[in-house]
Amino acid sequence: ETGVTQSPTHLIKTRGQQVTLRCSSQSGHNTVSWYQQALGQGPQFIFQYYREEENGRGNFPPRFSGLQFPNYSSELNVNALELDDSALYLCASKGGPDTDTQYFGPGTRLTVL
Amino acid sequence: TQLLEQSPQFLSIQEGENLTVYCNSSSVFSSLQWYRQEPGEGPVLLVTVVTGGEVKKLKRLTFQFGDARKDSSLHITAAQPGDTGLYLCAGPSGNQGGKLIFGQGTELSVKP
Repeated sequence: ETGVTQSPTHLIKTRGQQVTLRCSSQSGHNTVSWYQQALGQGPQFIFQYYREEENGRGNFPPRFSGLQFPNYSSELNVNALELDDSALYLCASKGGPDTDTQYFGPGTRLTVL
Repeated sequence: TQLLEQSPQFLSIQEGENLTVYCNSSSVFSSLQWYRQEPGEGPVLLVTVVTGGEVKKLKRLTFQFGDARKDSSLHITAAQPGDTGLYLCAGPSGNQGGKLIFGQGTELSVKP
């Protein structure tokens, strides 16, 4: 059984640029959630994808968008990067949209200069 | 707004000591989860507590869910350096399916 994988592991961008982060869900999991974790904080829910559609969203602006593909993998896109977007971005997968137990990937560390 | 507050935020102890981490809310949660996160890694689920008053044990770790399902605690007996990490409690949002609400975490350092 393959766990949740994310790419890239680290990324450095400058303010105003756009970034795409990728996540492959655990085998058999059809739901993917994305979280932002600032340094010294707990993760904050960005959104969840189920059956290729957004299925719940946290308090993040529209420049945070996502996609889910037929194989359940997912992308997080962030436009017009701001310095405060610097964080660890975590992807989590689970077996269904209402399942509480989810499994996290190792994260992508994004630095915005 | 559902919030989870953890205390303490930082804890530095010697190997062999006992410790307790608290996770409190003014809201009722249907369940609470505890995760451990190491630097450069994602959170790893340790336990889920579902029933008010429930106690679960995982080797030297004891987890308790409050009777009113508004709080939880994690007690570690005879801490070891391998217990070092960020401990996070989290609970499902009551009105937004799929969303997990996390506490801000407790950074534990166990020195040999």
